[in-house]
Amino acid sequence: GESVGLHLPTLSVQEGDNSIINCAYSNSASDYFIWYKQESGKGPQFIIDIRSNMDKRQGQRVTVLLNKTVKHLSLQIAATQPGDSAVYFCAEKGGYSTLTFGKGTMLLVSP
Amino acid sequence: DVKVTQSSRYLVKRTGEKVFLECVQDMDHENMFWYRQDPGLGLRLIYFSYDVKMKEKGDIPEGYSVSREKKERFSLILESASTNQTSMYLCASLTGETQYFGPGTRLLVL
Repeated sequence: GESVGLHLPTLSVQEGDNSIINCAYSNSASDYFIWYKQESGKGPQFIIDIRSNMDKRQGQRVTVLLNKTVKHLSLQIAATQPGDSAVYFCAEKGGYSTLTFGKGTMLLVSP
Repeated sequence: DVKVTQSSRYLVKRTGEKVFLECVQDMDHENMFWYRQDPGLGLRLIYFSYDVKMKEKGDIPEGYSVSREKKERFSLILESASTNQTSMYLCASLTGETQYFGPGTRLLVL
């Protein structure tokens, strides 16, 4: 498959570990943030979102934390599995519901 | 389920050709988006549309145009393809505040 991972920060973990992927955003006025997962050769897939009036949101095996003071987002994946291997992007909402994406982090999960 | 489809997964064109990339969603969404994705640069917004016949430039519109004649279809046009437009092209459609993406079109311009 195609590589979208060239020059990307990479996080390597063992299966069963917890993973934490970090993201800094730029606009302090942003009120909505999303995490996407992109597997090789596929389009980005929605994982979880969070509004700026929250500092934490949980999904199935995933948690997003928002720290507005330092404009930082993190995605925590519990009990990471080989199927979680992908590139993960954060995105912040702008005008007309456009999104500005981070550069992405590649997560590699070893069995 | 949200479904966004793109007309081709892989496309090879020659420099100077006119190229059409098609994106279709069947969920009556008003907002649709075109991005390109390149290694090390992430996803960059080319154009978007918030209604039929309405379009707005994104961050990198140069060399591209778009067409939105029907609500379900948003087309990206490369008037005269160049080698620096070799890229992965991703279409997205908006529901609520969340964009859902198609599978992408890998375009190679020779």
